[in-house]
Amino acid sequence: DTGVSQNPRHKITKRGQNVTFRCDPISEHNRLYWYRQTLGQGPEFLTYFQNEAQLEKSRLLSDRFSAERPKGSFSTLEIQRTEQGDSAMYLCASSLGDARGSEQYFGPGTRLTVT
Amino acid sequence: AQSVTQPDIHITVSEGASLELRCNYSYGATPYLFWYVQSPGQGLQLLLKYFSGDTLVQGIKGFEAEFKRSQSSFNLRKPSVHWSDAAEYFCAVGDVSGSARQLTFGSGTQLTVLP
Repeated sequence: DTGVSQNPRHKITKRGQNVTFRCDPISEHNRLYWYRQTLGQGPEFLTYFQNEAQLEKSRLLSDRFSAERPKGSFSTLEIQRTEQGDSAMYLCASSLGDARGSEQYFGPGTRLTVT
Repeated sequence: AQSVTQPDIHITVSEGASLELRCNYSYGATPYLFWYVQSPGQGLQLLLKYFSGDTLVQGIKGFEAEFKRSQSSFNLRKPSVHWSDAAEYFCAVGDVSGSARQLTFGSGTQLTVLP
């Protein structure tokens, strides 16, 4: 059983550039979540997919952020026109879509540094 | 909206000593509660969870936590700490009522273990 994987693990980009991250969830999990974690803080919810449908987005997710989950498998998170404030760890998690769907399994994260 | 408070930013204990990490939550009903651990460069690993039933829950690595409704607390304990327990610990509450069931995390407690 492979856990949740994320690529790349690290990304350094210049302000104004676009970046895209990928998340591969646990294969039988139909729910997929994106969180952002800044230094000294706990993860904050960004968005959530059930299968291929994006069902909820946090107010933290500005118009520059877009997430997709085509075919209900892997997901991508794109940030356009990056800003220094976007520097953070971006975490992906997956879970089963049942009553205990909150039991989420996290990937190692993608650390983004915007210079 | 739910919230989680971890009052201790940093705790230092000696190896072999007992440990208690505090967590207080705010939620309108019986919540789903979790403790995760995060080591440097690693993703979040689930230590234990509370959904219902017995208020004392056992987790991995010798950890346990007790749900106290009257105190809105879910403190994490371990009778004898090992050097490998040094990490950051996050308490989280799951949204039972919403469809997304996203997690709301506390800001974490950094644990240092002295030899």
